[in-house]
Amino acid sequence: AQKVTQAQTEISVVEKEDVTLDCVYETRDTTYYLFWYKQPPSGELVFLIRRNSFDEQNEISGRYSWNFQKSTSSFNFTITASQVVDSAVYFCALRRRAQGAQKLVFGQGTRLTINP
Amino acid sequence: DTGVSQNPRHKITKRGQNVTFRCDPISEHNRLYWYRQTLGQGPEFLTYFQNEAQLEKSRLLSDRFSAERPKGSFSTLEIQRTEQGDSAMYLCASSLGVYSGNTIYFGEGSWLTVV
Repeated sequence: AQKVTQAQTEISVVEKEDVTLDCVYETRDTTYYLFWYKQPPSGELVFLIRRNSFDEQNEISGRYSWNFQKSTSSFNFTITASQVVDSAVYFCALRRRAQGAQKLVFGQGTRLTINP
Repeated sequence: DTGVSQNPRHKITKRGQNVTFRCDPISEHNRLYWYRQTLGQGPEFLTYFQNEAQLEKSRLLSDRFSAERPKGSFSTLEIQRTEQGDSAMYLCASSLGVYSGNTIYFGEGSWLTVV
């Protein structure tokens, strides 16, 4: 069985602070994909990143960075110099890397509020 | 390239009534997915189609739920004899290709309130 845990239900910070969203996952598969999605109040899930399990390089995209550590089954997401527009619910998700595997397993999400 | 489109965006219905949601995926995307999301929870997988074939259904999809994708383009999700527990947001998503690493793009969801 696969499981994703986002222990932080809500985080509130002041604008320009750095913030890290934690994601821990469980899977018996040796290969898999990890994802982060952002859900603004409009409801649409916006794709942010996909990471293959065999690629443990950290990734940076502008103010966003991701730290993947297979040894601890974690895929954490950091926003540097946060902005009010970053306020949203963020979901971490896991997907098997196998033929026919299509289901995304989501965590419960972390509601991030950036205060001006 | 337009995104995934869902209609209606909001639906309030009385318990026992039937409701239908429509999803138009991104053009040429061969895979289409339905997820359900309740307040404070992450989305949960319901079912997916590859072209017009429904290839996987979750245990969450009871007999009162039926999804179709008759021509491999748009899809409908029908809920019969709605119950209050069906109140949730129903998210549609689509992707292109056949391998499991393809990015799945989501629509804005259809909110269902059963009163």
